[in-house]
Amino acid sequence: KQEVTQIPAALSVPEGENLVLNCSFTDSAIYNLQWFRQDPGKGLTSLLLIQSSQREQTSGRLNASLDKSSGRSTLYIAASQPGDSATYLCAVRPLSNTGKLIFGQGTTLQVKP
Amino acid sequence: GAGVSQSPSNKVTEKGKDVELRCDPISGHTALYWYRQSLGQGLEFLIYFQGNSAPDKSGLPSDRFSAERTGGSVSTLTIQRTQQEDSAVYLCASSQRTGDQPQHFGDGTRLSIL
Repeated sequence: KQEVTQIPAALSVPEGENLVLNCSFTDSAIYNLQWFRQDPGKGLTSLLLIQSSQREQTSGRLNASLDKSSGRSTLYIAASQPGDSATYLCAVRPLSNTGKLIFGQGTTLQVKP
Repeated sequence: GAGVSQSPSNKVTEKGKDVELRCDPISGHTALYWYRQSLGQGLEFLIYFQGNSAPDKSGLPSDRFSAERTGGSVSTLTIQRTQQEDSAVYLCASSQRTGDQPQHFGDGTRLSIL
């Protein structure tokens, strides 16, 4: 059974720091991995999608990497800003299923001005 | 609209009542998903529709839960004889197709069972 774990559960950093959020999964048979952001009381905003054949994806100050063989992904946020404060979720789409995503519990990030 | 639309945004009801939650996906998206987010369980998959194929119902927690998608667009999630453990945020997502496309989420319906 696929399990997704995110470490740390919570993180507080001063503005301007570069930071890394971690995501691990137990079964490497995945189709892709997606990183989301969730603000309080809101739905999920898709940040980056990495296909299983890819190693990384970049969007602005965000960079996500994928090491499928070791079951790991990282989300790197450069020059963090208070507006980056949110919960970040990673999710994998298993090869054995046609559509559903399996989510980690999330990392709640606070960037202090 | 530009995004996935869900209604109502909040729903409070008494235990034992039936509720219907609505999802209007992004225009042109053929795949539609329902998830549930609760404090103790995180985000859980409920059901998935793709075009005219039979839905994947493998995540529905009990036979009190059902969903339909009419005309390949709007979907309704129905919970019968609600229980307090059904209290959660119900999130809907859609994508252009399964596989290599990202899922886009609505803001959810916050369901509270008294």
